[in-house]
Amino acid sequence: DAGITQSPRHKVTETGTPVTLRCHQTENHRYMYWYRQDPGHGLRLIHYSYGVKDTDKGEVSDGYSVSRSKTEDFLLTLESATSSQTSVYFCAISDRSLRNTEAFFGQGTRLTVV
Amino acid sequence: AQKVTQAQTEISVVEKEDVTLDCVYETRDTTYYLFWYKQPPSGELVFLIRRNSFDEQNEISGRYSWNFQKSTSSFNFTITASQVVDSAVYFCALSEADSGTYKYIFGTGTRLKVLA
Repeated sequence: DAGITQSPRHKVTETGTPVTLRCHQTENHRYMYWYRQDPGHGLRLIHYSYGVKDTDKGEVSDGYSVSRSKTEDFLLTLESATSSQTSVYFCAISDRSLRNTEAFFGQGTRLTVV
Repeated sequence: AQKVTQAQTEISVVEKEDVTLDCVYETRDTTYYLFWYKQPPSGELVFLIRRNSFDEQNEISGRYSWNFQKSTSSFNFTITASQVVDSAVYFCALSEADSGTYKYIFGTGTRLKVLA
């Protein structure tokens, strides 16, 4: 299994509070991604990173920010959590070499905003 | 823009039946990759297979087979002699390569229920 660790695995937070989710990898992969999974929507890309300090927005980036100061860590921050951000969040990594183009996923973080 | 459509929201079959999960994609890139992932009830996402746009050869792995047809922009997944353990949500995904951004775009998933 790819070495991807998401923390926390579960979190309940109040509306309006900031929340940071962490994704840590031990594979030294260049590309990292944050997705959210909601019923009826599948997996939607929030932000992604193609290198240290290189990030870009996905299709549902409003209300989220990311940072990647080290190859191994990709942080997702909800500046002011809202109930619409209640979801399961997945981190993924990929090295996009010719042999390995697939993404590998972490175990997910279930976030509930009350 | 890239897009993946999985029109089948939920499929129910009886054990030992064959079942095909459909995936239709849209892309303007000439180089791209297609994937299938399985999400069992435990919630993790498990990579099953990838296909390159320049390789239309179909693939079989045990009871699983994949049919890639560029002419119809489809990448369908067939499970032969389904088993209860195949019950899961299956996602098809697309990643374009020409732009170099390497985003993965997923379909909305197909929930497969295999009844004993």
